[in-house]
Amino acid sequence: AQSVTQLDSQVPVFEEAPVELRCNYSSSVSVYLFWYVQYPNQGLQLLLKYLSGSTLVKGINGFEAEFNKSQTSFHLRKPSVHISDTAEYFCAVTLRGNYGGATNKLIFGTGTLLAVQP
Amino acid sequence: DVKVTQSSRYLVKRTGEKVFLECVQDMDHENMFWYRQDPGLGLRLIYFSYDVKMKEKGDIPEGYSVSREKKERFSLILESASTNQTSMYLCASRVTGRGETQYFGPGTRLLVL
Repeated sequence: AQSVTQLDSQVPVFEEAPVELRCNYSSSVSVYLFWYVQYPNQGLQLLLKYLSGSTLVKGINGFEAEFNKSQTSFHLRKPSVHISDTAEYFCAVTLRGNYGGATNKLIFGTGTLLAVQP
Repeated sequence: DVKVTQSSRYLVKRTGEKVFLECVQDMDHENMFWYRQDPGLGLRLIYFSYDVKMKEKGDIPEGYSVSREKKERFSLILESASTNQTSMYLCASRVTGRGETQYFGPGTRLLVL
């Protein structure tokens, strides 16, 4: 079965500093990978996703992530964060391929709270 | 613009009450989902519907049921609310296809007393 690990529950960082939020996944078959962001008191919004092709994926708000198959990782990065990036970030995985039923779902990590300080 | 709405942002109910959470999407999506979100646990799938009147259990279906009579509406029902169902409930929808983006509603924060 697939699983997603976000080891950092909180990442404090100063404004304009770079940040990396870590995500590792476990799966015996190929997967699609997603990063979602949740701003306070809101639902989740897609930041970016990896389906195939280039392993470096660019998303909204200046975020990017790199798929590393050998390390089963999909870390999220931003070179310079803003106060407005303060939010919870979720990594998620789903199976790639034609599987039916309950495998047709996203598995989420436990989330990383990015706290940007002035 | 994509829109998923949930009937309430905040709800307070008493133990044993029957609770209905409604979700509506205006994107003609086939697939709809109900998750609950708890601190330190991330999002966990309660139920999934891949089309009208079609549903499948997720990871934590106990104590919940769902209804999908129309394509745009997916309801989550707590037959007899309990305090351990106090949580944030998130609805999502997408077109069919695992690589497709799920679009989320704003969430309903439910408190069961």
